[in-house]
Amino acid sequence: QKEVEQNSGPLSVPEGAIASLNCTYSDRVSQSFFWYRQYSGKSPELIMSIYSNGDKEDGRFTAQLNKASQYVSLLIRDSQPSDSATYLCAVASYSSASKIIFGSGTRLSIRP
Amino acid sequence: DAGVIQSPRHEVTEMGQEVTLRCKPISGHNSLFWYRQTMMRGLELLIYFNNNVPIDDSGMPEDRFSAKMPNASFSTLKIQPSEPRDSAVYFCASSQQGSVGYEQYFGPGTRLTVT
Repeated sequence: QKEVEQNSGPLSVPEGAIASLNCTYSDRVSQSFFWYRQYSGKSPELIMSIYSNGDKEDGRFTAQLNKASQYVSLLIRDSQPSDSATYLCAVASYSSASKIIFGSGTRLSIRP
Repeated sequence: DAGVIQSPRHEVTEMGQEVTLRCKPISGHNSLFWYRQTMMRGLELLIYFNNNVPIDDSGMPEDRFSAKMPNASFSTLKIQPSEPRDSAVYFCASSQQGSVGYEQYFGPGTRLTVT
């Protein structure tokens, strides 16, 4: 079992709709959770961090964390073509010092 | 504020040659990470440093790869001798250990092609 699992996609969503990206992780002592966005040919860009159970909203992005289910998700409201990218879920635990584990990413395509 | 700086941005070399990739972390960050990304294997952690000390190099593929961090503002990743299978994008990232979440920030990457 991979430590951080994501559906590779592609996930196709119509413009203006909500895109929902999901991630599960295996280490129960994980404490910190991140979503990175990576455009083709570019480096990963941190877009959301979440540390506590529940929802965290930032503009059109909402991260959701459920530690009991070992599940973290990212919702993108009012999806735009510019949101088309690969989204990487990443997880860290205090036991691993500053190391974080990345999932393989979900490719999101927003169709006009 | 300047982000993570990497050089060169592109490197094309012949098999057997030595390749040196360079990274300058964000000022004040005390953790530095080297990653490799390919279509087949995704994003792989090669090695990371805390306070200039290598902590985990288990991701370094073989002895041809070596990394150093002589001071808080500079790190190198060296491949000697290089092979075609080393072709990939190499990213450097940095973070501030001790912050709430160890958020890592990536440099623009070095695209390495070994022919």
